[in-house]
Amino acid sequence: ETGVTQTPRHLVMGMTNKKSLKCEQHLGHNAMYWYKQSAKKPLELMFVYNFKEQTENNSVPSRFSPECPNSSHLFLHLHTLQPEDSALYLCASSQDSPGGNTIYFGEGSWLTVV
Amino acid sequence: AQSVTQPDIHITVSEGASLELRCNYSYGATPYLFWYVQSPGQGLQLLLKYFSGDTLVQGIKGFEAEFKRSQSSFNLRKPSVHWSDAAEYFCAVSYSGAGSYQLTFGKGTKLSVIP
Repeated sequence: ETGVTQTPRHLVMGMTNKKSLKCEQHLGHNAMYWYKQSAKKPLELMFVYNFKEQTENNSVPSRFSPECPNSSHLFLHLHTLQPEDSALYLCASSQDSPGGNTIYFGEGSWLTVV
Repeated sequence: AQSVTQPDIHITVSEGASLELRCNYSYGATPYLFWYVQSPGQGLQLLLKYFSGDTLVQGIKGFEAEFKRSQSSFNLRKPSVHWSDAAEYFCAVSYSGAGSYQLTFGKGTKLSVIP
């Protein structure tokens, strides 16, 4: 139990579907993240929210749409995805502080686009 | 730009043998250094971290790592590997003032353990 919970753990969707990934953190942190992990590639940071405000968008295609209603919850809305979007999507959180931040990850959501 | 190099893609060791996984980072500022472990189908679990102070840091599961500024390295070690240590290990770095999102990961080292 990492304190960061992701649902669903596995998702299969067609290219015309709309689905969402959900993340909830129970650590009292003020920053939340979405990362993408594909085979043979380093972890890619997608989005960062700090105090519910998006502070980073690493050139992510608009078919991925994040939402952060409060500092404990983070969503990733998915629509018209491509097969190459199939990957493990990891949510993470941290307490942003000047002395150094430690990022804690959830178990991930495996996404398969067919 | 900051970068992390894990030169070994795959390492195989026998159970009970010692282990050292290498990690080198770029950039000259004071780094914050991390090691994470990922078991198949799972998320990343923090093993240990270095922010300041003693350059030898202890982590969970019997792992330790040593920060060597002169070599820009932060190698992970374990004196005796267990079969349950088979997983992928990621080194990561961020820097003071860079913001928590500026965490750069290496490509990972996959560890296999022979019984």
